Amino acid sequence: SAVISQKPSRDICQRGTSLTIQCQVDSQVTMMFWYRQQPGQSLTLIATANQGSEATYESGFVIDKFPISRPNLTFSTLTVSNMSPEDSSIYLCSVEDPYPLEETQYFGPGTRLLVL
Amino acid sequence: GENVEQHPSTLSVQEGDSAVIKCTYSDSASNYFPWYKQELGKRPQLIIDIRSNVGEKKDQRIAVTLNKTAKHFSLHITETQPEDSAVYFCAASYYPPGNTGKLIFGQGTTLQVKP
Repeated sequence: SAVISQKPSRDICQRGTSLTIQCQVDSQVTMMFWYRQQPGQSLTLIATANQGSEATYESGFVIDKFPISRPNLTFSTLTVSNMSPEDSSIYLCSVEDPYPLEETQYFGPGTRLLVL
Repeated sequence: GENVEQHPSTLSVQEGDSAVIKCTYSDSASNYFPWYKQELGKRPQLIIDIRSNVGEKKDQRIAVTLNKTAKHFSLHITETQPEDSAVYFCAASYYPPGNTGKLIFGQGTTLQVKP
């Protein structure tokens, strides 16, 4: 399976600021996904990022709050803008591994964000 | 859109017993059903998955069953061990041929295996 890394692994931020999270994959993948996992909760899809096109956002998530870049087939960033304490969560990227089958999604280690 | 319900929210078993976690989904078009295990402070790890053309799949102590008619699928863990203690998530998705889908996750089950 693909090896996925995220930076930073954790951060403590002040409200009103923005944080950009990076996701790097060791192989080329078509689709990358960004999820939010609030404390003690399940995973919620924020958006799907396809290289060379605008990200597709899920209901309840907007580009102004969570801008995403996908400059190539191995890298993506998610920015959490104008943060509030409610944004304190784990943010995870995932990829569809083309081998053996595309439906399989693997997750990065996550970025633990605390907003004060 | 798809909705996935997962039960129970917590499950406590004695080491060596079996554990069963159940999920139901709403979209009859869903055709891919993975299960993830998340240990405390770690990323979700895929442990087993099943596609809609299969009714059951087994991998050592783990098995998943799918009932498309009833729109539910279950995770079975036999001979549980303390290291099985974790949060388990089910998910469902519709993958059109040659296209991508999106995973909708259940609420999670916290499994505790007592030594």
